[in-house]
Formats: sequence, C-alpha cells, structure tokens
Amino acid sequence: SAVISQKPSRDICQRGTSLTIQCQVDSQVTMMFWYRQQPGQSLTLIATANQGSEATYESGFVIDKFPISRPNLTFSTLTVSNMSPEDSSIYLCSVGTKRGVHEQYFGPGTRLTVT
Amino acid sequence: GQSLEQPSEVTAVEGAIVQINCTYQTSGFYGLSWYQQHDGGAPTFLSYNGLDGLEETGRFSSFLSRSDSYGYLLLQELQMKDSASYFCAPREDDKIIFGKGTRLHILP
Repeated sequence: SAVISQKPSRDICQRGTSLTIQCQVDSQVTMMFWYRQQPGQSLTLIATANQGSEATYESGFVIDKFPISRPNLTFSTLTVSNMSPEDSSIYLCSVGTKRGVHEQYFGPGTRLTVT
Repeated sequence: GQSLEQPSEVTAVEGAIVQINCTYQTSGFYGLSWYQQHDGGAPTFLSYNGLDGLEETGRFSSFLSRSDSYGYLLLQELQMKDSASYFCAPREDDKIIFGKGTRLHILP
C-alpha cells in the first residue's frame, strides 16, 4: 500500500485568497485524484491529476478555480482559488493501485475553512 | 442519468450481522467498490466486485448482481470498531463515484 501525506492538514483562510494543497506519495503512481468532502457527506471527485498533461475535471469543477499540477509520479498540488465560504470543506487526494482505479488509497485530508 | 442509493443509517447490535445495500445506475459500469470511513479519518478500501457473486474478506463480504444493478456489503460478528460510514462506489472506467454513504451505529 502507498503512504500519502498532505500539507497543510488544516487552514483558515480569508475569502478572495488562494490556498495550495500538496499531496506526496511514497512511491510512483500513475493515477492520482482530488476529492472534496463536506463533514458527514459523500466524497465528490474534483479531478484526475495526470502526469505530464492537464488534469481531467469533473462536471462542475473548472481549471481556473481548481488548478492542479502533477510534475512527477509522486507529487501533485491542488489550488483552491479566489476562495469563498462555500469552499470550506475537506480536500483529499488519493492514488489508484496496480490493481486498478477501484482500489484507492487516501491521504489524511486538508480541512479548509474560509471566513 | 446517474444515481446511487444506499440507506443513510443502519443500527445493529455488537456480534450481529448487518447488510448494507446499494443500487446504482451509471453510464458505464465496471464493478463496485466499498469503502469504510471512521469519523475524522480518511476512507479505506474494503472490497471490490468486478464480477457477479460474492467476495469474502475476513468478516466482510460483498456481493454484486449486474443484472439487478445491485450490490451489498455484509459485515459479520460486528465489533464496536465497525462503527463508521460505509460507501459504495461504482467504477466507471477510469474513476469511481461515491454514494452518499451509510452510517453504521453499533449498540453494545
């Protein structure tokens, strides 16, 4: 299994600012994903981070709001831009395994509060 | 369209057996995963059914019927540590889609 770390673990930000969340994996992985989860709610896929190409965004999420970088096979960043209180959530990165995208390992999450 | 249905909450007694059902409708279906998430924790992978039938992993089993667009997670010999949220997550080619989750409460 992969060990995944995220930075920061939590942050409180003012509206209109941006925050970049880092995701580091202890091994090379092909598939990396970014999710958002409101406390007590389901996980919503934001995008798939592709190494060497642009991320693939899900419906309702756009690159200008959530730019993603994937410079190599062990690292990715998600930026939440021009934040509003509605962006307050837990952001999680995950990686797929060699067995497939159906089996994912998740980072501990970043709890973001926008005031 | 796309839809996922699972009960929002289930309550069971320690030592008992509980079944969490999931019905799905997706644009392209490859299989069904199940994840567990404790409060304040990250989701952890439990099981995957790529084919119809039953998959067993220790106290947990998962079942899939493609013809009925239906699956379930079966938890046996319930322990207090099994109190958590459980998500079914259909696989669509290169991603999985999480259901709303079922919160499992276990009574001593």
